[in-house]
Amino acid sequence: QVQLVQSGAEVKKPGSSVKVSCKTAADTFSSYAITWVRQAPGQGLEWMGGIIPSFGIVKSAQRFQGRVTITADEFTGTAYMQLSSLRSEDTAVYYCARGVGLRYSTNDYLVNWIDHWGQGTLVTVSS
Amino acid sequence: DIQMTQSPSSLSASVGDRVTITCRASQSVGNYLVWYQQRPGKPPNLLIYGASTLQSGVPSRFSGSGSGTDFTLTIASLQPEDFAIYYCQQSYSNPSFGGGTKVEIK
Repeated sequence: QVQLVQSGAEVKKPGSSVKVSCKTAADTFSSYAITWVRQAPGQGLEWMGGIIPSFGIVKSAQRFQGRVTITADEFTGTAYMQLSSLRSEDTAVYYCARGVGLRYSTNDYLVNWIDHWGQGTLVTVSS
Repeated sequence: DIQMTQSPSSLSASVGDRVTITCRASQSVGNYLVWYQQRPGKPPNLLIYGASTLQSGVPSRFSGSGSGTDFTLTIASLQPEDFAIYYCQQSYSNPSFGGGTKVEIK
């Protein structure tokens, strides 16, 4: 059974950073992408970015560029998403998920669909 | 960026009803269209990918159709566990999601 296990809830001050972890199995790291999606309270889903750990290809949504850092540690099978310069609008549940059906181009990739999700990490930004 | 628009944003239906949700893309996405179900407090659950391929383990009352810009998710006979929010997502380019359709009990 595929599992992605995320770190626990966080409360952060505006202007600070948060780092969410996502631990999964070795085969996920070697053959799939890890995608990050967030969901503000009562709102829809928003893609933030992702990484193919085995190739080190990282991408992020334009609206988060400069604020989001996505990394992966192949030795521990853990992916990370760090979001900086937090503001109240960043209060959301952050999900990692496994992306499958990868399509590659030079230094880029696309995921055909997401088949398994982590349990979510609530990040609350409040003064 | 490709914009995804779902309709309706919510609907009320009874157990046994046939339910149809539509999703429109701002440009052609071929058949790179995915449907998810999300129950309260849970992560999304994959239902359909490639516009019409049912994910393993998903009941056959769910079906998807369409290509290009217009897509449909149909639930043939609504069951109590189907009351949830449904999202479409295009995977033709960097992912974008529809706003969701909440299916409520009438």
